[in-house]
Amino acid sequence: DVKVTQSSRYLVKRTGEKVFLECVQDMDHENMFWYRQDPGLGLRLIYFSYDVKMKEKGDIPEGYSVSREKKERFSLILESASTNQTSMYLCASSLARGYEQYFGPGTRLTVT
Amino acid sequence: QKEVEQNSGPLSVPEGAIASLNCTYSDRGSQSFFWYRQYSGKSPELIMFIYSNGDKEDGRFTAQLNKASQYVSLLIRDSQPSDSATYLCAVNIELRKSGGGADGLTFGKGTHLIIQP
Repeated sequence: DVKVTQSSRYLVKRTGEKVFLECVQDMDHENMFWYRQDPGLGLRLIYFSYDVKMKEKGDIPEGYSVSREKKERFSLILESASTNQTSMYLCASSLARGYEQYFGPGTRLTVT
Repeated sequence: QKEVEQNSGPLSVPEGAIASLNCTYSDRGSQSFFWYRQYSGKSPELIMFIYSNGDKEDGRFTAQLNKASQYVSLLIRDSQPSDSATYLCAVNIELRKSGGGADGLTFGKGTHLIIQP
């Protein structure tokens, strides 16, 4: 079974803090993705990575950056957390082009 | 903007009946189609995928694809209260054309399904 894990289920941070969210997959998948999910807005793609050290912006990259130093690990960084970044953050991975994505359990981030 | 449309619901279905969930998509070039189930507070879980026109059955679930009409549906037979969840339709999109390309998924906002005991 594919397993995608995320570093925290719940996180509370203060405005202006730097926040790291980590995601690890154990199935040697090429592609990894970070989404945020908000009520009424659905899943929105923040960043994705199609290979080690390769990353590209998704639909809403502002205020975020990512790092993929190893194939199995994809990190999302909030450079200076703001209250409008309070959300559920979901990491996903897929084997290759056209394949299904598998999601981690999600991190519910609250910025106060 | 490539879009996936779903009726948000709630769709209320009696226990034991067939639940029918529908999805339309805008990109005629899409080749892969997926249904995810998401319980409240949890992450999406893949339940079906379909690539070819027609029906694909897996247990109580049947996915139907009509590329000419740009329409995907999910049927749940013998609905159970545990099927109550939000169902997300997802369609592959090309995120990057150069260097071998990369695909992602565009998700609909989901249909909230309630199975009434």
